[in-house]
Amino acid sequence: DIQMTQSPSSLSASVGDRVTFTCRASQSISSYLNWYQQKPGKAPKALIYAASSVQNGVPSRFSGSGSGTDFTLTISSLQPEDFATYYCQQSYSTRPITFGQGTRLEIK
Amino acid sequence: QVQLQESGPGLVKPSETLSLTCTVSGGSINSYFWSWIRQPPGRGLEWIGYIYYSGSTTYNPSLKSRVTISLDTSKSQFSLNLTSVTAADTAVYYCARDKGDKLFDFWGQGTLVTVSS
Repeated sequence: DIQMTQSPSSLSASVGDRVTFTCRASQSISSYLNWYQQKPGKAPKALIYAASSVQNGVPSRFSGSGSGTDFTLTISSLQPEDFATYYCQQSYSTRPITFGQGTRLEIK
Repeated sequence: QVQLQESGPGLVKPSETLSLTCTVSGGSINSYFWSWIRQPPGRGLEWIGYIYYSGSTTYNPSLKSRVTISLDTSKSQFSLNLTSVTAADTAVYYCARDKGDKLFDFWGQGTLVTVSS
């Protein structure tokens, strides 16, 4: 299995802050990396695909970068609705598809 | 707008079979991959497996011996059977769609299944 490790596990920030989440794969996955946002009691929502492409309808303050084993998700200016848990997911291998353990973004 | 809706029992006894159905509306079930993903309470996401509209399946090796995913295109539904359940299978179960790139772009709302006697 390709292990996905996210850091930090939780993060406190304020509205207007720039925040960055990190995801590391246990082997190279090229750019086969997706990011999701999940709010309590809701299904995850796709934000970024192929490491850096923004999904339709996602605000431009969200951006992704990276390739190989190291990836980042950046929110340029936090909005109140951005406080949630963020997951990365590798789409390089389906044996199996794996997610990171998540980073919880909390209000400072 | 594509919508997915999970349905099935919210309580299953240990050693029995968990059965869920996902109904797809607002779009075709053809030409897509359809997955089941679960999330134990307070924990992360685990991909269970997917079925292609042609009927071919791929499962998570950790669950493969207990999982069957099937498709009924006439009803725009796909289903999950998970046998010999234990408390460790207690989770919110989601169904989701991907276009082949393994990005889950549409999800159901999720259904909590509790394994308990």
